[in-house]
Amino acid sequence: QVQLIQSGAEVKKPGASVKVSCTISGYTLSKLPMHWVRQAPGKGLEWMGGFDLDGGETVYAQKFQGRVTMIEDIYTDIAYMELSSLRSDDTAVYYCATVFSRGLDPWGQGTLVTVSS
Amino acid sequence: EIVMTQTPLTSPVTLGQPASISCRSSQSLVHSDGNTYLSWLQQRPGQPPRLLIYKISNRFSGVPDRFSGSGAVTDFTLKISRVEAEDVGVYYCLQATQVPHTFGQGTKLEIK
Repeated sequence: QVQLIQSGAEVKKPGASVKVSCTISGYTLSKLPMHWVRQAPGKGLEWMGGFDLDGGETVYAQKFQGRVTMIEDIYTDIAYMELSSLRSDDTAVYYCATVFSRGLDPWGQGTLVTVSS
Repeated sequence: EIVMTQTPLTSPVTLGQPASISCRSSQSLVHSDGNTYLSWLQQRPGQPPRLLIYKISNRFSGVPDRFSGSGAVTDFTLKISRVEAEDVGVYYCLQATQVPHTFGQGTKLEIK
């Protein structure tokens, strides 16, 4: 059974960067297309980017282009999402999730990132 | 970008009664491979989302059969035949036919 375990909560100042990790157990990261989704407090789900099965590469939502990097370490089975130039409206819970028939499951437990001066 | 529009945004339902959520896409979700990558997720309070339905109408492992999905092209529906207390939460549709993938705004299911 695939499980995704994310790193703990972070508090960052505006302008800083954050790197969230997602450790895969029960399977091999190299065979799992990974996606990242965020959820601001009291708001809906927002897709940030992930592995495009059609294009064969990781793609990012235009909103995050130039600020986000998603990488996968297939030797340790850990995926990372790094977001830079943080602003207060980046305060959110960040989720990793993998793909099942292009639905998203399973999900990590979420990582709260708080951006505050 | 494909815009996903859900209705209603809030759905008060009596326990044991049915519930229905609609999701409409701004473009066809039929992929060039012939599949339609429309899924439904449930997010209970304080929990991460979980997959309920994939490719319009396929129930994911462990999902009760009171949940069903239907639709085609741009119009899709999630139905709960008899709402139970554990169904309280927010339901999202998600299209993965085209990048960027996009979610609906979410529909909050609450008990009357």
